[in-house]
Amino acid sequence: NAGVTQTPKFQVLKTGQSMTLQCAQDMNHNSMYWYRQDPGMGLRLIYYSASEGTTDKGEVPNGYNVSRLNKREFSLRLESAAPSQTSVYFCASSPRGDQPQHFGDGTRLSIL
Amino acid sequence: AQRVTQPEKLLSVFKGAPVELKCNYSYSGSPELFWYVQYSRQRLQLLLRHISRESIKGFTADLNKGETSFHLKKPFAQEEDSAMYYCALLLFGNEKLTFGTGTRLTIIP
Repeated sequence: NAGVTQTPKFQVLKTGQSMTLQCAQDMNHNSMYWYRQDPGMGLRLIYYSASEGTTDKGEVPNGYNVSRLNKREFSLRLESAAPSQTSVYFCASSPRGDQPQHFGDGTRLSIL
Repeated sequence: AQRVTQPEKLLSVFKGAPVELKCNYSYSGSPELFWYVQYSRQRLQLLLRHISRESIKGFTADLNKGETSFHLKKPFAQEEDSAMYYCALLLFGNEKLTFGTGTRLTIIP
């Protein structure tokens, strides 16, 4: 049982390039989330999806788009990467919004 | 807006000594609070949540609504407790977790 799987684990991009981070969960969870983790700032919510077909903005959505492809998959897209988006990105899921979240291993993204 | 404050970025404690990681929140209602932990090279995972009132790995946390705190405590630190700890708040009826900035706990052998 893999839980939450994120791909890729590492990526280096040049400013202006686009990139999609993939996330899949095999726990039949309804809710999925994307966070970024920056030194001294903890985890900040980018976008979340309460159920298949719905998405909502979190605390720091600018520069990102998401797609809830189906119940299992929730992708995060950077259309035009900027150095300020250098971060570690975490995907998480939960059975529903008021339940504890399960996290993936993270994607370390560097924008040059 | 709700806010979670973890005042200590770094905390070092000797093995066998008591541990207390501080967490304060700002919210006037009745939140649900969690502690998440990230051990080296492992995923962020739930340590405990206040409504379950469980003791996990010897850690406990009591919600003090008067002081708006949810400090994490363990009477005797162990080396395997070294990790990054995050306090998080969830408002009832809201899907979003708000995380604190985290405290890196190091247990000195």
